[in-house]
Amino acid sequence: GQNIDQPTEMTATEGAIVQINCTYQTSGFNGLFWYQQHAGEAPTFLSYNVLDGLEEKGRFSSFLSRSKGYSYLLLKELQMKDSASYLCAVRATGANNLFFGTGTRLTVIP
Amino acid sequence: DVKVTQSSRYLVKRTGEKVFLECVQDMDHENMFWYRQDPGLGLRLIYFSYDVKMKEKGDIPEGYSVSREKKERFSLILESASTNQTSMYLCASNPGAEGYGYTFGSGTRLTVV
Repeated sequence: GQNIDQPTEMTATEGAIVQINCTYQTSGFNGLFWYQQHAGEAPTFLSYNVLDGLEEKGRFSSFLSRSKGYSYLLLKELQMKDSASYLCAVRATGANNLFFGTGTRLTVIP
Repeated sequence: DVKVTQSSRYLVKRTGEKVFLECVQDMDHENMFWYRQDPGLGLRLIYFSYDVKMKEKGDIPEGYSVSREKKERFSLILESASTNQTSMYLCASNPGAEGYGYTFGSGTRLTVV
């Protein structure tokens, strides 16, 4: 079976840095994805990790440790528009589909 | 840019009606998926398809069926709508190769009354 845990809600201040954690247990592992979802909209792709380490894309970075079943999404220089839900999703070995966590709702305050 | 189009943004249907949700993608993707999203439960996979006329059940297929007669179109069918099927329905596609995530449609918010 699969299980993904991430915090339900987080609040951070504009201009700050926030780290959203994700832990997972899967039957085999073949990649971890982060998506951003604004209220009432579809999720949009942010990042992909399949090997251990840090992937950086502008203000957003994502880290993976396969041995620990752990990932985090790091958002720097927070902006008000970063207020959204952030979804962690995992692909198991041999699977076509992704298994999603319940998401972390991030609120950025002035 | 890959585009995934869901035919309706909002739908209101009556209990017992047969409901069709349509999804079309324009990038020749192999895989297509239907999820529902509910508060506190996240995205749950209903069905997916990895080729024309091929389908596989996801985690919550009861009360749903699907059809994929053409590669670009994947339809979700609620055989007899019930109030517990009120939800946001999201269609997604991907090319099937490793390393590719999903491209999602804009979603259909279905209310069953």
